[in-house]
Amino acid sequence: EAGVVQSPRYKIIEKKQPVAFWCNPISGHNTLYWYLQNLGQGPELLIRYENEEAVDDSQLPKDRFSAERLKGVDSTLKIQPAELGDSAVYLCASSLTGVGYEQYFGPGTRLTVT
Amino acid sequence: GEDVEQSLFLSVREGDSSVINCTYTDSSSTYLYWYKQEPGAGLQLLTYIFSNMDMKQDQRLTVLLNKKDKHLSLRIADTQTGDSAIYFCAELNSGYALNFGKGTSLLVTP
Repeated sequence: EAGVVQSPRYKIIEKKQPVAFWCNPISGHNTLYWYLQNLGQGPELLIRYENEEAVDDSQLPKDRFSAERLKGVDSTLKIQPAELGDSAVYLCASSLTGVGYEQYFGPGTRLTVT
Repeated sequence: GEDVEQSLFLSVREGDSSVINCTYTDSSSTYLYWYKQEPGAGLQLLTYIFSNMDMKQDQRLTVLLNKKDKHLSLRIADTQTGDSAIYFCAELNSGYALNFGKGTSLLVTP
């Protein structure tokens, strides 16, 4: 069974530029999460989807961050414009609906903003 | 939010047992987890324990949970150099998201 797929794995952009990350969850997992991991820290939740619905986006900085999951499968996380402080690893995870106790993570996208 | 605390570093010799400790503060957490992260990789789910259990064993891994003290530990028996990684303790919050500690960096020396 394929795991959570993320792309790109690495991205380097200049500040004020836009950037987008893509995630394909494990087949059959209707719950999808985006986490942010700063250097030396544990991941922190940005947004959680149940199918197409964002059920928890309280930690998403909505002035510059947006996310979508149009068909309830793949998801895209966007930052526009990027700031230096956005340099981090962006992790996608998925789990079965309503059973969040087994969350499986993708390899992450490492973003560097210069 | 509630904090999950872990010691930052642990060094052991190959073949010894490793014990990684964690304290959490949310007494309503139903599940507690251990994840492993190798350099440049995502998080690998190692094991988890339901809050009504006090111990879970899975091959070389033993998880102990003390709910009274809100203390969780991960014991790795016969530690190998391939076990060198960062280990994260996490609790499942009421919103089905994971609250992570900062991670314990385990170094296994030959």
